[in-house]
This record gives sequence, C-alpha cells and structure tokens, in this order.
Amino acid sequence: QVQLQESGPGVVKPSGTLSLICAVSGASVSSSDWWTWVRQPPGKGLEWIGEMFHSGPTTYNPSLEGRVTISVDKSKNQFSLSLTSVTAADTALYYCARGRALYGGTIDTWGQGTLVTVSS
Amino acid sequence: EIVMAQSPATLSVSPGERGTLSCRASQNIDSNLAWYQRKPGQAPRLLIYGASIRATGIPARFSGSGSGTDFTLTISSLQSEDFAVYFCQQYSNWPRTFGQGTKVELK
Repeated sequence: QVQLQESGPGVVKPSGTLSLICAVSGASVSSSDWWTWVRQPPGKGLEWIGEMFHSGPTTYNPSLEGRVTISVDKSKNQFSLSLTSVTAADTALYYCARGRALYGGTIDTWGQGTLVTVSS
Repeated sequence: EIVMAQSPATLSVSPGERGTLSCRASQNIDSNLAWYQRKPGQAPRLLIYGASIRATGIPARFSGSGSGTDFTLTISSLQSEDFAVYFCQQYSNWPRTFGQGTKVELK
C-alpha cells in the first residue's frame, strides 16, 4: 500500500522559505509517476502547486512560478517542496500526492496534509 | 486556466437516497476528470478517474459520467460513510485545477 507523509515546520516567518518533505513508502520516486504538491488555504479551494515527473521535468502553477521548486531525492525515496518569499497568503494545508501514469496522470494517492502558517 | 465549477455547494440527503453531484469545466477536457472524497483529518480518496472509471476498491454505488465540459458523480444509495466533501479535478491541461467541492450532509 502506497503511503505519503508530509513533514516540515508548522510556522514560517514572512519573507522566509517554506520547505516541506514528502516521505514515500510502498512505491519508488524513481517510478514513472508525477510527484505533486497541492495546497488549500483556509476557507478556500484546492490549488495545484506543481509536479515533477519522477526525476525529470517539472511543471509549476504560473501563479507561483519563480518562487516554487519541487525536487526528488531518490536516495531517501522522498520529494520536497520549497516556496520562497512567503506571505500570509501562503498559509495553507499542504498535501503531497502521486499522479499515476497508469491512470493518465490522475492523483491516486494523497498524504494527510500538513498545516503551514506564515506568521511572525 | 480551466475553471471547474461544482454544484450544489451542499447536498442534504437521507441514507439510502440517491445523490447527484455536478462538475462543469470552463472548456473541453474530454474525459480527463477525477472525483475525490475527503473526510476531516483524512487524506482525500480517489473515487473516479477518466470521468467514469471507478478506482480500485471503490464500491459500485459510486458512478461517474460525462465528457467534454459537463460531468456527474452519482451515489446510488447513500451510506452513512459517504457523508463527506466531494471534489472534482481536471487533468487535461496545466495547471491542474479543482472544483470548490460539494459537501454531502445528512438531511
């Protein structure tokens, strides 16, 4: 059974960098899937942040382009999210997820989510 | 980007009743649509992909239909465990986008 688990600081200071890790078990980040981050600000809908195709190309939401980086660490079987110059608008529940190539790219597995608050 | 609109925002139903949820895309997405269920404190669960294909382990009471811009998720006979939030997602274009969700609550 594939499981994803997010981890990282729960509070980040304004103008700082938000860094999260997603530990993957039951699957390999080297597989031909999309390793994805999604977030949901309080009281708002889900926002797709971006994805990396195993260790290849990345695609980011244009609304976050220039601030976001997704990378994969094969040695630790995990992937990560880095978001720079954060503001209060980046406060959200952050999910890591797997887009399954077998299902045409559909996200088939999600982590439980981790709440990140941007506050001084 | 493609905007996904779900309706209704809240659906009040009694156990055993049929529930029908709608999702509309702002442009053609063929059948590149997924439906998810989310309960508080839990990871979202994939129900349907390819607009109408049930994911592994999903009960037959869940069915999806539609293509192009209009899609429907039907729960044929609501069980107590089905009361949750349901959202749709298109994966036809980047950026991927989600509907705002429909909350299915006990009437």
